[in-house]
Amino acid sequence: DQQVKQNSPSLSVQEGRISILNCDYTNSMFDYFLWYKKYPAEGPTFLISISSIKDKNEDGRFTVFLNKSAKHLSLHIVPSQPGDSAVYFCAASAGGGSNYKLTFGKGTLLTVNP
Amino acid sequence: SQTIHQWPATLVQPVGSPLSLECTVEGTSNPNLYWYRQAAGRGLQLLFYSVGIGQISSEVPQNLSASRPQDRQFILSSKKLLLSDSGFYLCAWSRILPGQGHYEQYFGPGTRLTVT
Repeated sequence: DQQVKQNSPSLSVQEGRISILNCDYTNSMFDYFLWYKKYPAEGPTFLISISSIKDKNEDGRFTVFLNKSAKHLSLHIVPSQPGDSAVYFCAASAGGGSNYKLTFGKGTLLTVNP
Repeated sequence: SQTIHQWPATLVQPVGSPLSLECTVEGTSNPNLYWYRQAAGRGLQLLFYSVGIGQISSEVPQNLSASRPQDRQFILSSKKLLLSDSGFYLCAWSRILPGQGHYEQYFGPGTRLTVT
């Protein structure tokens, strides 16, 4: 049972335009969400996160939106740059306390064309 | 600042041979540590996590094992590798965010394992 789903395996965008990466989740206990970026043959790097008490978090060119009722989040990159080309993973955790685990989606390959 | 190291970077091993991958973290104490595997075309699968020395939790049944002999050292092992063990193995660490109970994880550079 895949609790975090990234239904688009790939996305291609022109440089300077907006990239929108989507993620859906099924576990209503998830209350913290993260996006990671991964280049080939490297470990993922943390990009941005959002708690379920918010519906938007912004960091420079990256904004994450959370729609709890739809169990959906998205990552917006504006403007997109060729260096943003990578696999983006959505991840979620089910609360604080002793729950340390992140559940990851399968990733979306973003290609930004010059 | 914190850094995380993994070695080796790449490894080619025959089926049935043993495995030992090492991960160390610098610049933090008592981190939570994790082993993930990314198989070709798949997402990140959590294999093991540890909240302290000698404390290991396994997420999936398999022929791999993990150990944490020191606070900042995490080892992934196998006695006999299978073809299906091929993949990209990632170690990660996390810390408690101040005032919160949530955990961001930070990943190492990974080890590419090919079992032939």
